[in-house]
Amino acid sequence: AQTVTQSQPEMSVQEAETVTLSCTYDTSESDYYLFWYKQPPSRQMILVIRQEAYKQQNATENRFSVNFQKAAKSFSLKISDSQLGDAAMYFCAYRSAYNNDMRFGAGTRLTVKP
Amino acid sequence: AAGVIQSPRHLIKEKRETATLKCYPIPRHDTVYWYQQGPGQDPQFLISFYEKMQSDKGSIPDRFSAQQFSDYHSELNMSSLELGDSALYFCASSSPRGEKLFFGSGTQLSVL
Repeated sequence: AQTVTQSQPEMSVQEAETVTLSCTYDTSESDYYLFWYKQPPSRQMILVIRQEAYKQQNATENRFSVNFQKAAKSFSLKISDSQLGDAAMYFCAYRSAYNNDMRFGAGTRLTVKP
Repeated sequence: AAGVIQSPRHLIKEKRETATLKCYPIPRHDTVYWYQQGPGQDPQFLISFYEKMQSDKGSIPDRFSAQQFSDYHSELNMSSLELGDSALYFCASSSPRGEKLFFGSGTQLSVL
């Protein structure tokens, strides 16, 4: 079974600085998708960024980018120019290309200091 | 843009009661997913439907059932509620052959 591990329960960053959230996963599948979701205090789940496993190029969405290392099964999220509104719980998620079961990591709570 | 709509937003029930949660996916999305997120936990996949048929099953208790209707909305039926069922229940939808899940705001269920 696929597992997703986020080894950082909490992270803190100064406003305008850069922070990287770690995520590793375990799978024997060759085709899958990886996601980062943000869950602010409102508890809404918001898609931040996604990566297709077959693409070597790292995904980028404005201030958010990923470092996808397929061989190492690593999928970290970099947030540049951190803003107060980035404070939230961040979940890394894995989704097989073969079924509808998306697995989440335990989450990393990000605090942004003014 | 239209989002995934869940109702109700909050629900309070007694032990052993039943509850029905509703989910209206984004228009033209044909796949619906249900997730359960306990306090301080990550979301756990319960079940999904594609074109009104159950497509995948996760850690859904036998006391729960779900279905997707002809208009693609879905309902999660929960019977013999237990205290441990208290959680935030998310519905998500995706477009045909889409891998991105779009989540609703969730239904907070409290079982007293």
